[in-house]
Amino acid sequence: DTEVTQTPKHLVMGMTNKKSLKCEQHMGHRAMYWYKQKAKKPPELMFVYSYEKLSINESVPSRFSPECPNSSLLNLHLHALQPEDSALYLCASSQGGRAGEKLFFGSGTQLSVL
Amino acid sequence: GESVGLHLPTLSVQEGDNSIINCAYSNSASDYFIWYKQESGKGPQFIIDIRSNMDKRQGQRVTVLLNKTVKHLSLQIAATQPGDSAVYFCAENNMGGGSNYKLTFGKGTLLTVNP
Repeated sequence: DTEVTQTPKHLVMGMTNKKSLKCEQHMGHRAMYWYKQKAKKPPELMFVYSYEKLSINESVPSRFSPECPNSSLLNLHLHALQPEDSALYLCASSQGGRAGEKLFFGSGTQLSVL
Repeated sequence: GESVGLHLPTLSVQEGDNSIINCAYSNSASDYFIWYKQESGKGPQFIIDIRSNMDKRQGQRVTVLLNKTVKHLSLQIAATQPGDSAVYFCAENNMGGGSNYKLTFGKGTLLTVNP
């Protein structure tokens, strides 16, 4: 199984809503990532978890709150988002977060903030 | 600013031709590079990778070349097919926070294959 599964595929939310994005992998990987991708732009790193601990936060606003309940799951909790946060949110995983590792990506959650 | 960029934002080729997609990077400490293909509505898909101790690596119909002297990376696709139409990103692996590495993406090239 080389899949990274993200749910939901699409999400529309208001600026006062609270929602969560979910990501799951069963490859035994110990590093998981959240990327944000705007239309016609490259993915931009948001967070990295390595062995269930947050190792990189790319100065992401606190309205985005990541959580790694176990080595297979990664969540992104959303609260009080702005319309400019509308984007494709991609989850990825790799073996351990070390140099020279391939990242495997999910298909993403397309988020629209109204 | 971004440390990884591309010379050509779009590339249009005829089916059966060879395609070359270029990428320039600026971080000389980067030691691992990956090419990803992203089709509409999907996440990036791994194509091929190369480590900084290599100059060339071949896969099935794809070849990656690395020129560390001028910090240049290229992806060659042989006998391009309509299914190759997608956005192609190069990505470089370098040290992020603490002892963890992070992958930084270049701008991307849209490849269109005409039948």
